Amino acid sequence: DTGVSQNPRHKITKRGQNVTFRCDPISEHNRLYWYRQTLGQGPEFLTYFQNEAQLEKSRLLSDRFSAERPKGSFSTLEIQRTEQGDSAMYLCASSSVSGARSEQFFGPGTRLTVL
Amino acid sequence: AQSVTQLGSHVSVSEGALVLLRCNYSSSVPPYLFWYVQYPNQGLQLLLKYTSAATLVKGINGFEAEFKKSETSFHLTKPSAHMRDAAEYFCAVSDHPGGGFQKLVFGTGTRLLVSP
Repeated sequence: DTGVSQNPRHKITKRGQNVTFRCDPISEHNRLYWYRQTLGQGPEFLTYFQNEAQLEKSRLLSDRFSAERPKGSFSTLEIQRTEQGDSAMYLCASSSVSGARSEQFFGPGTRLTVL
Repeated sequence: AQSVTQLGSHVSVSEGALVLLRCNYSSSVPPYLFWYVQYPNQGLQLLLKYTSAATLVKGINGFEAEFKKSETSFHLTKPSAHMRDAAEYFCAVSDHPGGGFQKLVFGTGTRLLVSP
């Protein structure tokens, strides 16, 4: 399978705990995106990497959120001191071509439930 | 800022009937528009995209969409619905500032229900 993979697929945690999600993009893709999708809504942009550089962050990404992409390969998204409002599906996407024409390929997502 | 509005959170059709899912966009620049489909517990799959070439765009699974600038619309259609088309459909516009970065701005989605 050469698609975008995300782990874990599901995560249940208690409020105040830290969680980390991983995204493995399609191997030749140098661009990686994180989105968040809450129930009944479309995905919302969180952050963007070109290779290892994080070039854009949404205002939705509070200081409890941090994302990395070491060596420009896989990426991790960490949420510290989780809150119930963080419950959502976290989607990762990757693309290879610059500009707006490039297609973003999405992973299956990680569903986070904060109790 | 770019945005899209999807009219109707749910659309119900019978198998074999025409599918019409509505999307209107707002953009200060010529838009790049996309339709994605999401099946339960899966990520998003691109159905089709408009990137300023032909206004009638054909996609996968028999879907197509027509870009109408005068109506600021990009409605998704399929002549004959199949049971397997039941899913959530998202319209999106590309927010593409300079630098090659593409942020997708999604609508709230339309759930397509197909009855036998």
